[in-house]
Amino acid sequence: AQKVTQAQTEISVVEKEDVTLDCVYETRDTTYYLFWYKQPPSGELVFLIRRNSFDEQNEISGRYSWNFQKSTSSFNFTITASQVVDSAVYFCALSEAQSSSGSRLTFGEGTQLTVNP
Amino acid sequence: DGGITQSPKYLFRKEGQNVTLSCEQNLNHDAMYWYRQDPGQGLRLIYYSQIVNDFQKGDIAEGYSVSREKKESFPLTVTSAQKNPTAFYLCASSIWGSGNEQFFGPGTRLTVL
Repeated sequence: AQKVTQAQTEISVVEKEDVTLDCVYETRDTTYYLFWYKQPPSGELVFLIRRNSFDEQNEISGRYSWNFQKSTSSFNFTITASQVVDSAVYFCALSEAQSSSGSRLTFGEGTQLTVNP
Repeated sequence: DGGITQSPKYLFRKEGQNVTLSCEQNLNHDAMYWYRQDPGQGLRLIYYSQIVNDFQKGDIAEGYSVSREKKESFPLTVTSAQKNPTAFYLCASSIWGSGNEQFFGPGTRLTVL
């Protein structure tokens, strides 16, 4: 069975600090996809990034970067020079390619990030 | 603008009543999903639908029902059999198939009085 663990329930930082959100996953499939979503106080989830299991290249997009390591089953997310607007709940999610349920996602429990001015 | 709409944003219901949450999308997606979110927890899948007139139970389907008569619409009914219905409900849609991101609506917060 697939599982996603976000061990950090809450993180609080001061603006301009760098912060890393951890995500560890479990799956028996060799082909799978990993996602990060952001949930601001308004409640709607916003898609941030998708990686497939064959692409371990780290990615940088502006202040965001992602570190995918299959050896440790981790897909960590770093925000550089955090801003107050980054305050939100961040979810990591997994989708197995072999699953008959198509694009069904398994979510972690989320990390509440608070960036203080 | 393309997107997903959910209504109402806030819903109050008396214990023992059924209530239906609306979800509409104009993204031309085949797949639609309903999730439940409780405080401090991740999203849990209630039902999903791959195509019109077809839907499958998710992890916590008991006490809920759905229909998919139109591609654009996937309403969720919370029945009186759901023992703890107070929660935040999120609807999503996607192109069917693994690896495709899901797009989410703004959610409905249901409170049982």
